[in-house]
Amino acid sequence: EVQLVESGGGLGKPGESLRVSCAASGFTFSNAWMSWVRQAPGKGQEWVGRIKSKTDGATADLAAPVKGRFTISRDDSQNTLYLQMNSLKTEDTAVYYCATRHRYGGYLDYWGQGTLVTVSS
Amino acid sequence: DIQMTQSPSSLSASVGDRVTITCRASQSISSYLNWYQQKPGKAPELLIYAASSLQSGVPSRFSGSGSGTDFTLTISSLQPEDFASYFCQQSYSTPHAFGQGTKLEIK
Repeated sequence: EVQLVESGGGLGKPGESLRVSCAASGFTFSNAWMSWVRQAPGKGQEWVGRIKSKTDGATADLAAPVKGRFTISRDDSQNTLYLQMNSLKTEDTAVYYCATRHRYGGYLDYWGQGTLVTVSS
Repeated sequence: DIQMTQSPSSLSASVGDRVTITCRASQSISSYLNWYQQKPGKAPELLIYAASSLQSGVPSRFSGSGSGTDFTLTISSLQPEDFASYFCQQSYSTPHAFGQGTKLEIK
């Protein structure tokens, strides 16, 4: 059974950094392309970015609002995906979900339960 | 970047009704269109991928159609568990934008 468990959310101040993690199990993580999606309170889903598998170059694409501030990385030895968030802004407040991304179709077929990140002074 | 416009933003319907939600892309995305359902406090779940392919385990009352720029999600006969929010998403090119969502409520 595919399981994705996010952790590391919490409260941060504007300008600070936070890292959220996503522990994966039930599938071959090293072969998977992974994505981050966020949902601000009362809002819709916003694509944050995705990272390819190592065999496909492990390159990451990020959405414009977070480019230059957020980094996506992966540790295949630990079956864990990371989202490093620097220079946090109040508008980064959201539930952050990790999801498996189908390599060719791009759809997000399995999602974690999400972790809340709150940015407030 | 490709923009996704979803309508309506909210919809009231009754059990047994047929419901259609539409999603329009700002440029052609071929069939790279996906639909998700989200219930309050839960993560989204994939319903339809590649415009019309039903995800495993999803009831057959859900169907998707369209290609290019215009897409629809249809629920043929609403069941009580279908009252939720629905989002479309394009996966043709990054950033893989979502539509604004449709909240389906009980009439």
